[in-house]
Amino acid sequence: DGGITQSPKYLFRKEGQNVTLSCEQNLNHDAMYWYRQDPGQGLRLIYYSQIVNDFQKGDIAEGYSVSREKKESFPLTVTSAQKNPTAFYLCASSLAWLNTGELFFGEGSRLTVL
Amino acid sequence: AQSVAQPEDQVNVAEGNPLTVKCTYSVSGNPYLFWYVQYPNRGLQFLLKYITGDNLVKGSYGFEAEFNKSQTSFHLKKPSALVSDSALYFCAVRDGSYNTDKLIFGTGTRLQVFP
Repeated sequence: DGGITQSPKYLFRKEGQNVTLSCEQNLNHDAMYWYRQDPGQGLRLIYYSQIVNDFQKGDIAEGYSVSREKKESFPLTVTSAQKNPTAFYLCASSLAWLNTGELFFGEGSRLTVL
Repeated sequence: AQSVAQPEDQVNVAEGNPLTVKCTYSVSGNPYLFWYVQYPNRGLQFLLKYITGDNLVKGSYGFEAEFNKSQTSFHLKKPSALVSDSALYFCAVRDGSYNTDKLIFGTGTRLQVFP
């Protein structure tokens, strides 16, 4: 079945540690996105990538990094520089940029910093 | 900048009654508007979109939305609510300006349908 797979679903981290969240899609979509969800704040865009080997900062990129070496993969690293990393992280993809179609979302990864 | 607002944090409705979840938007140019639904601890699912054409857009699970240009609104509606419709609903607008392409989401409205 085609879709987006995020892993791990739950992750616990100690302060000062970097963690990487995985996002893989087999939809053959060009564009991929990372959103952060906090209660009462909706979804905020962290990074997005419109094509392989290219990505842009979203609204809250500080303390995060990404790579897009393959079309199907868009991992997100939450670095120790991120001051408040506890959140629900959502990966999404769309067919192409400047596309009027919808986003397809993964099931999310919940990160808790202890 | 493009934005959407969802003025209600929560909407409560009895099963069988009609429901409305409100959304207003602010865009430069023609708006591309979307509704998504999120069930607990899950990702978002696309419900419907307005790009152009008829002001009444029909989507998944019996939902529809009415685009109103003069009121800059895009309210989500359903004639008869089900308990299973209880979820978090997000309105979104596409930002295709300045060589970018992304969705801007509202803060979400929690819909609670009571039996």
